[in-house]
Amino acid sequence: SQQGEEDPQALSIQEGENATMNCSYKTSINNLQWYRQNSGRGLVHLILIRSNEREKHSGRLRVTLDTSKKSSSLLITASRAADTASYFCAQRASGSRLTFGEGTQLTVNP
Amino acid sequence: DAGVIQSPRHEVTEMGQEVTLRCKPISGHNSLFWYRQTMMRGLELLIYFNNNVPIDDSGMPEDRFSAKMPNASFSTLKIQPSEPRDSAVYFCASSFGQGGATNEKLFFGSGTQLSVL
Repeated sequence: SQQGEEDPQALSIQEGENATMNCSYKTSINNLQWYRQNSGRGLVHLILIRSNEREKHSGRLRVTLDTSKKSSSLLITASRAADTASYFCAQRASGSRLTFGEGTQLTVNP
Repeated sequence: DAGVIQSPRHEVTEMGQEVTLRCKPISGHNSLFWYRQTMMRGLELLIYFNNNVPIDDSGMPEDRFSAKMPNASFSTLKIQPSEPRDSAVYFCASSFGQGGATNEKLFFGSGTQLSVL
């Protein structure tokens, strides 16, 4: 299966701290995406990084991609209580479906 | 734009009944996806359409599940007959892709929470 795995499964930090989540996958990809899901809601796209990119920024988010290690990380800087959510990585191989990992549950304590 | 609209938001039914979930994708999007989310199996792709045509339905669990997209603005996912193990949150998502790229950024609806008793 191409499904990725997030690490850790759960992360609890204090407001203002940085949160780092990791994602590993098994096969070659075209792009990798990160999504966020608040409790009881649908997923919201955060950022997409293509296989020829190594790093991408969006506001307080920083995503890295290491295709040699088949891994990606999502860094949220200066976290806020409102960042509490589940975060998923999703991979797309050429011509195939977008496959989601199991997610990391992030809790940011005020 | 109103985003992807799903209905109903919640559905409670008895085993053996037919269930129909509905989705209206974002106007102009040419790909539509049905996902199912459970604690045990996470987020699973059931089927996706491109330009109203089913492209990959290999994720549809059984013949009890069927999906249609009669036009660019509407899709249904039907379960007949429903079983307790079908209880899950069902998400619809849409995207716009060019050159056959169907899996770019997805926009998700709020989901339908299905409970089969």
